[in-house]
Amino acid sequence: DVKVTQSSRYLVKRTGEKVFLECVQDMDHENMFWYRQDPGLGLRLIYFSYDVKMKEKGDIPEGYSVSREKKERFSLILESASTNQTSMYLCASSLRTAENIQYFGAGTRLSVL
Amino acid sequence: TQLLEQSPQFLSIQEGENLTVYCNSSSVFSSLQWYRQEPGEGPVLLVTVVTGGEVKKLKRLTFQFGDARKDSSLHITAAQPGDTGLYLCAGANDYKLSFGAGTTVTVRA
Repeated sequence: DVKVTQSSRYLVKRTGEKVFLECVQDMDHENMFWYRQDPGLGLRLIYFSYDVKMKEKGDIPEGYSVSREKKERFSLILESASTNQTSMYLCASSLRTAENIQYFGAGTRLSVL
Repeated sequence: TQLLEQSPQFLSIQEGENLTVYCNSSSVFSSLQWYRQEPGEGPVLLVTVVTGGEVKKLKRLTFQFGDARKDSSLHITAAQPGDTGLYLCAGANDYKLSFGAGTTVTVRA
């Protein structure tokens, strides 16, 4: 079974703090993704990576950055957290195939106060 | 603007009833996926449909991909409380998936 593990289920941070969300997958997948999920908006892609040290912006990259130094690990960084970044963050991974079936972690619910 | 429009947004039915969820887009996708998400968990893949006009059955769930590969539907026969969850459709192109906003299905016992 594919396992995608997100380091925290819940996080509470203050405005202006630097926040790190970590994601690890154990199936040697090339692609990794970060989404945020908000009620009524579905999943919106923040960044994705198709190889180590490679990254591409998704639909809503503003206020976020990412790091992929190892194939199994993909980090999402909020340089200066703001209240509008309060959300559920989901990490996913997939093989580099046309079907792009993604396997998701359980999510990190981030509250920025 | 959502690339994929799902309807309805909410659906509450009695156990044993049937339901259909729709997923529509003006874009063509190489494949379309359906996921189910339970509270506190990430989405889990139910099915992938690839060919226009394709119909796939997974026990009481029937998935259809439109002929033009722009839309899809999910039909559940004789729904059970265990079918309760958020159903998400996602269109695949290149490395990326574009998700609909989801349909929250509640099946009352």
